[in-house]
Amino acid sequence: DAGVIQSPRHEVTEMGQEVTLRCKPISGHNSLFWYRQTMMRGLELLIYFNNNVPIDDSGMPEDRFSAKMPNASFSTLKIQPSEPRDSAVYFCASTQNTEAFFGQGTRLTVV
Amino acid sequence: GEDVEQSLFLSVREGDSSVINCTYTDSSSTYLYWYKQEPGAGLQLLTYIFSNMDMKQDQRLTVLLNKKDKHLSLRIADTQTGDSAIYFCAVISGGYQKVTFGIGTKLQVIP
Repeated sequence: DAGVIQSPRHEVTEMGQEVTLRCKPISGHNSLFWYRQTMMRGLELLIYFNNNVPIDDSGMPEDRFSAKMPNASFSTLKIQPSEPRDSAVYFCASTQNTEAFFGQGTRLTVV
Repeated sequence: GEDVEQSLFLSVREGDSSVINCTYTDSSSTYLYWYKQEPGAGLQLLTYIFSNMDMKQDQRLTVLLNKKDKHLSLRIADTQTGDSAIYFCAVISGGYQKVTFGIGTKLQVIP
C-alpha cells in the first residue's frame, strides 16, 4: 500500500478563495482524521470519521470549514472562504484500531 | 474528552539520555504511542505500548507506562543529533477509536 495520500502537497491561495484538500486513506482502514498543525497551537484534531460517518467535528474552527467522506477511499476538507489565519499544515491520518498512519500533509498558505 | 499533555521543549547533550513525559486523562485508553516528526515531514510511529504493559524496550527506546498516574514516558538512550525532532504522545480511546495527540515536545540535541 502507498500509505495515506494527500494532495496537493503545497497550496498557495488568495484570501477569500475556496480551498479543497484531499485525502486517500489506507485501504481497509475504518477511521480517518483531519489535523491542523501550526507553530502556535501545535497539532489540532479538526474532525474524524468512522466508517465514513463524521463522529466528532468539534475541532472544526468555524463554518468556513467543512469535511466530507463520500466513500471509504476518499475524503475532502474544504475551506470557503479562506483567510490568512488558516495558513498551516493540514494532515490526514487513517487507522484500523491500532497505529494511526499519517499522510505527508498539505502546506496551505493564504495570502 | 481525552486530554493529553506534554512539555513543549527539551534540550540534551549528545550522548546523554532524553526523557520525554506525557500525561493523559482517559483510563480506558487501549494503545499509547510515541510519534516522531522531523522538520518538513509528517508524523512517523516511533513505538507504542499496550495498556496492559508497564514497559517496552526497543533498542535505544524505552517506554514506561504508569496507569495509576496516567503517565507515559519515552526514554532515548545515547541521544544523537539525528534524534532532534518533535515527539508526540498519542492515545487511542473510546468506542470509535479516537486518536488524541499531545502538543508535541521539541527535542534539541546539542553536539
